[in-house]
Amino acid sequence: AQTVTQSQPEMSVQEAETVTLSCTYDTSESNYYLFWYKQPPSRQMILVIRQEAYKQQNATENRFSVNFQKAAKSFSLKISDSQLGDTAMYFCAFRIQGAQKLVFGQGTRLTINP
Amino acid sequence: DTAVSQTPKYLVTQMGNDKSIKCEQNLGHDTMYWYKQDSKKFLKIMFSYNNKELIINETVPNRFSPKSPDKAHLNLHINSLELGDSAVYFCASSQHTGQAYEQYFGPGTRLTVT
Repeated sequence: AQTVTQSQPEMSVQEAETVTLSCTYDTSESNYYLFWYKQPPSRQMILVIRQEAYKQQNATENRFSVNFQKAAKSFSLKISDSQLGDTAMYFCAFRIQGAQKLVFGQGTRLTINP
Repeated sequence: DTAVSQTPKYLVTQMGNDKSIKCEQNLGHDTMYWYKQDSKKFLKIMFSYNNKELIINETVPNRFSPKSPDKAHLNLHINSLELGDSAVYFCASSQHTGQAYEQYFGPGTRLTVT
């Protein structure tokens, strides 16, 4: 069974700092996808970034980038120049290619302080 | 335009009652899902429908019954509500073609059973 682990329940940084959220996963599959979702206090789940396992290049979306280490089964999210609006729960998620089921980590509560 | 909508957003009811949550997506997707987020924010898939056919049915009590009248709608009916059913229920959708087919989430329904 696939599992996703986020080892940091909570993190807090000052505005404009860079923060990295950790995620590790366990699978015997070689083709899969990884995602980071953001859940602000509004409760809406918002896709932040995705990574295809077959791609060696790390995905980037504006201030958000990932460090994907396939051999280590690690998928961390880096937020640069953090903003107050980045305050949210962040969930790492995993899906096997061809399957519909998303497996989520426990989440990291990120607070950006002014 | 709302992509994935759920009604109601909040639902407070007593133990033993029967209630339904409705979900609609206007993205033209062919796959829809129900997820449950517990009090510790952990998200877990409950059901998935592809073209009105049930394809994922996780270990969920029989009191929960999904119904998909068409590709754009997936409703969740819960019989004999229990205190432990209190949670946030998310509907999501995706297109089961292409590669990564990200899942898009609705705003969630907070169910409180008293």
